[in-house]
Amino acid sequence: SQQGEEDPQALSIQEGENATMNCSYKTSINNLQWYRQNSGRGLVHLILIRSNEREKHSGRLRVTLDTSKKSSSLLITASRAADTASYFCATYGGSQGNLIFGKGTKLSVKP
Amino acid sequence: DTEVTQTPKHLVMGMTNKKSLKCEQHMGHRAMYWYKQKAKKPPELMFVYSYEKLSINESVPSRFSPECPNSSLLNLHLHALQPEDSALYLCASSQVDMGLAAYNEQFFGPGTRLTVL
Repeated sequence: SQQGEEDPQALSIQEGENATMNCSYKTSINNLQWYRQNSGRGLVHLILIRSNEREKHSGRLRVTLDTSKKSSSLLITASRAADTASYFCATYGGSQGNLIFGKGTKLSVKP
Repeated sequence: DTEVTQTPKHLVMGMTNKKSLKCEQHMGHRAMYWYKQKAKKPPELMFVYSYEKLSINESVPSRFSPECPNSSLLNLHLHALQPEDSALYLCASSQVDMGLAAYNEQFFGPGTRLTVL
């Protein structure tokens, strides 16, 4: 089953620009997580935001969560070519017992 | 050690073969996962082990057989696979807090790229 839905599906920007990706979900959650995946590789955990949090920062990453709208956004500031990857949101709601991943946003950062 | 290792990196097998995928972590995590990922799709959960016991099986066909010999190792035994089973197979692990594994971040291995001929 799929809960999260990211948009856009693909995003192409120049190095130095900011990248914003959005995630919408359907049911109530305990937490929402963002992961990055370089082409054909494993996923790397970026940030976890709990349902009682509204904003969280980690380095160049900023995540917001709006539980009333059932949506989250991931902002990458001053992007670099190395940020080129697919980004997935994943939600955990207590009744699910597991993370459910969204479809992902493919980010391309051009030098 | 914050790494999840998976072997082999690549595997090509025929539909009559039997093979196994292996996953190992030494972070003391008590939950381990198998995911299947097709190209341009998100990971799909297959199995979850919590404290070495199978806690979730997402209606996976019996040609996939998981095994958790101990808290650090996770295997996926493959038998009589179909070409549509070709995919990237990812292993992950996480802590278990308050009896809830998915409450926490998951650490992923690099995956095994499986091709079934």
